[in-house]
Amino acid sequence: EADIYQTPRYLVIGTGKKITLECSQTMGHDKMYWYQQDPGMELHLIHYSYGVNSTEKGDLSSESTVSRIRTEHFPLTLESARPSHTSQYLCASSGIPYNSPLHFGNGTRLTVT
Amino acid sequence: AQSVTQLGSHVSVSEGALVLLRCNYSSSVPPYLFWYVQYPNQGLQLLLKYTSAATLVKGINGFEAEFKKSETSFHLTKPSAHMSDAAEYFCAVSWLGEGNTPLVFGKGTRLSVIA
Repeated sequence: EADIYQTPRYLVIGTGKKITLECSQTMGHDKMYWYQQDPGMELHLIHYSYGVNSTEKGDLSSESTVSRIRTEHFPLTLESARPSHTSQYLCASSGIPYNSPLHFGNGTRLTVT
Repeated sequence: AQSVTQLGSHVSVSEGALVLLRCNYSSSVPPYLFWYVQYPNQGLQLLLKYTSAATLVKGINGFEAEFKKSETSFHLTKPSAHMSDAAEYFCAVSWLGEGNTPLVFGKGTRLSVIA
């Protein structure tokens, strides 16, 4: 049973559109993450946050932006979508200790035409 | 930089056969180790985690993994594969003392189970 929710599950949009992928968690976790998963299944960290008003870029350069105004909410925004943004986007959260596992949402599959 | 290597992007086994998925990490710093499973059209789900309490860790669905410091390995095993085990499996590592570095994931291994 998911305690971390992503919407929408699937999204097909045209090039140039602005989109926001939503991610919310009910566990009170301070740490939250966005991963981009390519068709070959490898996960790429694109953004993370360790608390309100704290955001960092991940390993993969991304044209997206994130915000963390509330603990439970970590939306990801693409100002102008391009076909190269077509991918699966996974949101995750975890507690503070190093040995805390990540809890993942079910993902948003984005297709940009 | 710290890294995690999963040997074999695709492993195929017969139903009832032993499952062995390999994971090696780089570093002499004590790690925290995780295995995750991903079923089609879903996010990742925690299978098991090693946090230094015991070197042999039992997880869900009959999986287990053994931490071997001398080999810097954390291979995942299951004695008898079931069709429902077909999925993608990810090894992940974090390191105490590495500041706030997020979890590092391997590239994943796709497990196929043949009837």
